[in-house]
Amino acid sequence: NAGVMQNPRHLVRRRGQEARLRCSPMKGHSHVYWYRQLPEEGLKFMVYLQKENIIDESGMPKERFSAEFPKEGPSILRIQQVVRGDSAAYFCASSSTDRKDKAFFGQGTRLTVV
Amino acid sequence: AQSVAQPEDQVNVAEGNPLTVKCTYSVSGNPYLFWYVQYPNRGLQFLLKYITGDNLVKGSYGFEAEFNKSQTSFHLKKPSALVSDSALYFCAVSPGGKLIFGQGTELSVKP
Repeated sequence: NAGVMQNPRHLVRRRGQEARLRCSPMKGHSHVYWYRQLPEEGLKFMVYLQKENIIDESGMPKERFSAEFPKEGPSILRIQQVVRGDSAAYFCASSSTDRKDKAFFGQGTRLTVV
Repeated sequence: AQSVAQPEDQVNVAEGNPLTVKCTYSVSGNPYLFWYVQYPNRGLQFLLKYITGDNLVKGSYGFEAEFNKSQTSFHLKKPSALVSDSALYFCAVSPGGKLIFGQGTELSVKP
């Protein structure tokens, strides 16, 4: 079991470009969570998805950010028209339906907007 | 609303001494409480959790945490600190699925 895989590990984008962050959950896990860690801050919940459904997006910024978790393939966090303030580490976690109390985290994607 | 607070930004401990990293929580109902550790440029690693049962929870790497309902606390402890324990520690509460994290406490263990 390869664990939660996030790619890329590091991503550099110019202001105004789009950023796509990928998360492949652990095998057998159908719940995915995205968190953002801004410099010198803790982790903030962004969105919780199950296959093809957004369960809780209470932490997502209202504009430019979207997430999906299709039936096949990884979960994608998409940031359109990035700004410098989007520079952060983005972490994905996954859990199984019967063990939602045990989430496993990926290594994160560090986004730098220049 | 559910929340956790970690009152100390940084904790400094000498190697071999006991360590405590503090966490208090605010939840409605029975809390699910967690501790995670983050090493530099790495993701989070699960240390331990409290859901129900014994108030003293034992976790990975010799860490333990004590759930105190009257004080709404879930402090992380270790009897004898190691230099390799130096990292960022996060307390979290889970209202179901998602985790709500504290601000984190930087633990520094000096030889």
